[in-house]
Amino acid sequence: DAKTTQPPSMDCAEGRAANLPCNHSTISGNEYVYWYRQIHSQGPQYIIHGLKNNETNEMASLIITEDRKSSTLILPHATLRDTAVYYCIVRPPIYNQGGKLIFGQGTELSVKP
Amino acid sequence: GAVVSQHPSWVICKSGTSVKIECRSLDFQATTMFWYRQFPKQSLMLMATSNEGSKATYEQGVEKDKFLINHASLTLSTLTVTSAHPEDSSFYICSALWESGETQYFGPGTRLLVL
Repeated sequence: DAKTTQPPSMDCAEGRAANLPCNHSTISGNEYVYWYRQIHSQGPQYIIHGLKNNETNEMASLIITEDRKSSTLILPHATLRDTAVYYCIVRPPIYNQGGKLIFGQGTELSVKP
Repeated sequence: GAVVSQHPSWVICKSGTSVKIECRSLDFQATTMFWYRQFPKQSLMLMATSNEGSKATYEQGVEKDKFLINHASLTLSTLTVTSAHPEDSSFYICSALWESGETQYFGPGTRLLVL
């Protein structure tokens, strides 16, 4: 499985954009990049995923570099409720290992007033 | 997003007893569900993959006879912790694979405390 590297912690001011980086230099061509977050004592929440192209939804934007070796999750206007651990996960296709997710240590994002 | 529920949300049991945790996909059918365990201040650890109508696939180091998984329908998977001991105390989380197969949605978790 391709592994990811994320900074252990980051701070962000409320109302500013939070940019969370992720390195996945060993990613394969058919592996997706997924982002989840986990607020304390809750189950992980799906945020966004992508394969090659940049993606945007109501929660965040995902920027994947052209060589796909790294990506950035962008929360455009961080709020206090965005304080959580953010996980960047490289996931194989469904036909390979059922598409299981292997969680790393993630980035603990603290949004401060 | 799709909704996954777990029951109970927390449970306290005596050492040596068995505990069953339910995972349900409320608004979609899930042929595949996953079970994770999370200890304090650690990341989620995948325990097993549960496929409807077939035996679960366990990750290396996870005892299949201790953690019994049954995926009897397209909306329900159960995890039974047999002969629980204090070291089994943990946060157990399930996820269900959305019908298209692209995304896993997670339940809220079940906190187990074994005394």
